[in-house]
Amino acid sequence: QQQVKQSPQSLIVQKGGISIINCAYENTAFDYFPWYQQFPGKGPALLIAIRPDVSEKKEGRFTISFNKSAKQFSLHIMDSQPGDSATYFCAAIHSGSRLTFGEGTQLTVNP
Amino acid sequence: GAVVSQHPSRVICKSGTSVKIECRSLDFQATTMFWYRQFPKKSLMLMATSNEGSKATYEQGVEKDKFLINHASLTLSTLTVTSAHPEDSSFYICSARPSLISSGYTFGSGTRLTVV
Repeated sequence: QQQVKQSPQSLIVQKGGISIINCAYENTAFDYFPWYQQFPGKGPALLIAIRPDVSEKKEGRFTISFNKSAKQFSLHIMDSQPGDSATYFCAAIHSGSRLTFGEGTQLTVNP
Repeated sequence: GAVVSQHPSRVICKSGTSVKIECRSLDFQATTMFWYRQFPKKSLMLMATSNEGSKATYEQGVEKDKFLINHASLTLSTLTVTSAHPEDSSFYICSARPSLISSGYTFGSGTRLTVV
């Protein structure tokens, strides 16, 4: 019930391409879905987040698509840049609970 | 924005010694802070929830006598790794929730512990 499944485990994209990372959850009580970006040797940083009453949220080159009925959400990185190379974690939470993280996706954007 | 400061960023200690890691909320008060451990190329694993003025809540399998947590003020939580062994070498990260309204969590920059 608390799991969040993330795929792919690793992703290689050419500069300018679109990076897509997918997550699926089981617990329908989750009401907040953040994405975190982590660079080597650093803590995760909040990238973008969405609530289930919205199907899409866009901030700059980053977009979350949310499908409540399928219990899935995804991160799209448009015009991917080498500086986007990092590990991305999806997560989910509901009020009073702790963050549940996906397994992480290591993104490499080749120049 | 909300900032969580974590120190030290790196520490090397000898087996059998203890190491203290500090986590401070710089511009907000945090009644609850969280401590994570992260292995290479793995996700964050919650170790314990630190509560200001009360005992920490440890996750199953985490030795509370080895990983001592103190949350003495609304802006400071510490994790002490006692009698450290090489298998305790890892990346430790703290986090806090800046607002009861927002569900967002802010993370510290992490501490790389190496036990030799």
